[in-house]
Amino acid sequence: DAGVIQSPRHEVTEMGQEVTLRCKPISGHDYLFWYRQTMMRGLELLIYFNNNVPIDDSGMPEDRFSAKMPNASFSTLKIQPSEPRDSAVYFCASSMTSGGVPLADTQYFGPGTRLTVL
Amino acid sequence: QKEVEQNSGPLSVPEGAIASLNCTYSDRGSQSFFWYRQYSGKSPELIMFIYSNGDKEDGRFTAQLNKASQYVSLLIRDSQPSDSATYLCAVNIVGGTSYGKLTFGQGTILTVHP
Repeated sequence: DAGVIQSPRHEVTEMGQEVTLRCKPISGHDYLFWYRQTMMRGLELLIYFNNNVPIDDSGMPEDRFSAKMPNASFSTLKIQPSEPRDSAVYFCASSMTSGGVPLADTQYFGPGTRLTVL
Repeated sequence: QKEVEQNSGPLSVPEGAIASLNCTYSDRGSQSFFWYRQYSGKSPELIMFIYSNGDKEDGRFTAQLNKASQYVSLLIRDSQPSDSATYLCAVNIVGGTSYGKLTFGQGTILTVHP
């Protein structure tokens, strides 16, 4: 299994530019999560999907952030316009619902995208 | 009060010692508890999960859960320099709109020195 795949691994952009981060979850997983990690705030959940449907986007900082999941194997997180305070590592994670409830909570993380906004 | 609290450390222990990492949580509805390890510059990886009160052992790792005290801990026996990392505690409320959603603590930095 290839694991969760994220691209790009590094992104450097200038303030005001649009940034799109991509994620491919593990095949067969029905939950997908987007997190942001900074030294100050730690690991924060931004949004998560179940069966491609957004369930909770309360962590999305503001309207500049949007996320989509058009199918079971692909999701994007878009920032438009980007600001320096958006600089962080963005992780995508996925998990699977099983007959046993606990397995749904075991999340597998991708390698992350390190975003720098100048 | 933060939902999940950890001592940020750093916690420094000598090689071969037992490292004890602690985590408290605020929501009594929390039902599942996870420990993730994160090496510098890497993504979090799951070490252990626990659902029932008591101890759960996996190799050198033991997770302990006390729901009455809202406390979960991770013990690492025979600590090795390769255990040096940040350890993240995460909790989940099973059911309802929070199903599958984890809340993470800030993490504890562990350093194992030779």
